[in-house]
Amino acid sequence: DAGVIQSPRHEVTEMGQEVTLRCKPISGHDYLFWYRQTMMRGLELLIYFNNNVPIDDSGMPEDRFSAKMPNASFSTLKIQPSEPRDSAVYFCASSLGAQAFFGQGTRLTVV
Amino acid sequence: AQKVTQAQTEISVVEKEDVTLDCVYETRDTTYYLFWYKQPPSGELVFLIRRNSFDEQNEISGRYSWNFQKSTSSFNFTITASQVVDSAVYFCAPSLDNTDKLIFGTGTRLQVFP
Repeated sequence: DAGVIQSPRHEVTEMGQEVTLRCKPISGHDYLFWYRQTMMRGLELLIYFNNNVPIDDSGMPEDRFSAKMPNASFSTLKIQPSEPRDSAVYFCASSLGAQAFFGQGTRLTVV
Repeated sequence: AQKVTQAQTEISVVEKEDVTLDCVYETRDTTYYLFWYKQPPSGELVFLIRRNSFDEQNEISGRYSWNFQKSTSSFNFTITASQVVDSAVYFCAPSLDNTDKLIFGTGTRLQVFP
């Protein structure tokens, strides 16, 4: 398996634009997580899914953030509208049997 | 509250020294897993180890070893004979709520100088 695949690797966008981050988990994994990493707050869990169902979105910072998992092989994290404080590295991870593997991350810069 | 404390923000050593990274956690769960991840300068998060809270045996993998003490809620990580390539940020993370959800500590930045 190629591991967890995230796209794009880098995204630069202007404030107010919509941003969509994509993730393809490892085949067969039943959990999918979205994390955000910043210098100030470290690695924060935003939301996670179990068998494509959102379980806990309490980490989503505000209504501008939304995440979907329409099937077992794809998830998106959307920010609309984006703001400069959303600049961070966003990681997707998938797991099976309590062993999580992370994608390479998407570095988002909102100017 | 469930949380993880990595008290050492940054450690600097010279190559070939041994170094121990500390991790103390709090959890309400009776069973859980504990993890260590490495984040090298390139930015990816690399899985290093998973331990089950039932298993308190120390584990060794090459130059890496882990000491799990359930009684003190600690899961420390030792690198023996450190190398420059070990320079990275290391994160400790327990799984919580009987799920695969991980809550990360703030990380320890290890710098190994030649």
